[in-house]
Amino acid sequence: EVQLVESGGGLVKPGGSLRLSCAASGFTFSSYSMNWVRQAPGKGLEWVSSISSSSSYIYYADSVKGRFTISRDNAKNSLYLQMNSLRAEDTAVYYCARDPSSSLNNWFDPWGQGTLVTVSS
Amino acid sequence: EIVMTQSPATLSVSPGERATLSCRASQSVSSNLAWYQQKPGQAPRLLIYGASTRATGIPARFSGSGSGTEFTLTISSLQSEDFAVYYCQQYNNWPPATFGQGTKVEIK
Repeated sequence: EVQLVESGGGLVKPGGSLRLSCAASGFTFSSYSMNWVRQAPGKGLEWVSSISSSSSYIYYADSVKGRFTISRDNAKNSLYLQMNSLRAEDTAVYYCARDPSSSLNNWFDPWGQGTLVTVSS
Repeated sequence: EIVMTQSPATLSVSPGERATLSCRASQSVSSNLAWYQQKPGQAPRLLIYGASTRATGIPARFSGSGSGTEFTLTISSLQSEDFAVYYCQQYNNWPPATFGQGTKVEIK
């Protein structure tokens, strides 16, 4: 069974940092591009970042560019999101989601259960 | 950036009735459109990709249509488990992937 499990969320002060992880299982992780998508409380979905299967291609939403860094460790079947200079507007549930192939520019399936990041003083 | 607009914001439907949800793109996205279902406290689930291809395990009562800028998700006969929020997403002009604001399907 394909499974994605996020961790690392929590309460952080504005300007602080947090590192999210996504543990993948049930598929050949190194063959798929991966993504982070977030959802602010009571709001819709916002794409955050994507990384290709070999980490050759990385993309960010303008809202997080320069503050967030996506990475992956194919040996550990893990996806990461390093979040620095956090702002109140970064408060959201963060989902990791798989691309359907090694290429980017696709739909997302499946999604993890999400991890909540709260930025507040 | 392509803006996706969904309508209506809320759709009140009785169980067993048909539901029709709309999604409009600010410019053509060809058939590069996906639909997701999200229930409270759960992650989104892929329903449709390529505008009309059902994802694995999705019941036949869900169907997608459209191309270019106008898309429709139809649920032919609403079941109790179908009451949820539905999002469309374009992946034609990327990055960024962009989502609609969602349509909530509620019990009438």
